[in-house]
Amino acid sequence: NAGVTQTPKFQVLKTGQSMTLQCAQDMNHEYMSWYRQDPGMGLRLIHYSVGAGITDQGEVPNGYNVSRSTTEDFPLRLLSAAPSQTSVYFCASSASGGRGYTFGSGTRLTVV
Amino acid sequence: AQSVTQPDIHITVSEGASLELRCNYSYGATPYLFWYVQSPGQGLQLLLKYFSGDTLVQGIKGFEAEFKRSQSSFNLRKPSVHWSDAAEYFCASQTGANNLFFGTGTRLTVIP
Repeated sequence: NAGVTQTPKFQVLKTGQSMTLQCAQDMNHEYMSWYRQDPGMGLRLIHYSVGAGITDQGEVPNGYNVSRSTTEDFPLRLLSAAPSQTSVYFCASSASGGRGYTFGSGTRLTVV
Repeated sequence: AQSVTQPDIHITVSEGASLELRCNYSYGATPYLFWYVQSPGQGLQLLLKYFSGDTLVQGIKGFEAEFKRSQSSFNLRKPSVHWSDAAEYFCASQTGANNLFFGTGTRLTVIP
């Protein structure tokens, strides 16, 4: 059972480039979320989804897009990368009923 | 607005000593509360969770936490710390939308 899988693990982008961070879970979880982690700020919610076809904005959504076409996948798109998006990104999933989230191992993104 | 506060940025304890990490929450109703641990370069692992009922909850790796409504606290404890417990610890509460709201984390250093 793989849990939550994120790819890539590391990425360096130039300012203005676009890319997609991939996230897949094999636990048939309804809820999926993207967080970014920055030193001294904990984890902040970017976007989340409560099921296939349903997404919503979190605390820091600007500069990011998401879609949820299947239960398993929840990609995060950076439209035009900026140095302020240098961070560690975590994807997480949860079954309904608030049973706690399972996290992926993260993607470390550097924008130069 | 919902918030989670971890007042200690960094704590150092000796191996074998007891540990208490503080967490305070602000929420209108009784929230769901969680403690996660993050080892360097890794994702987040769920230590324990509180939903309702018994206010003392047991988790993995010998950790426990006590929910105190009167103090709006959910402190994490361990009677005897091991060197492998060195990591960053995050307290989180869950919103009505099933999203997690994190504190800024406490980094634990264990000295021999």
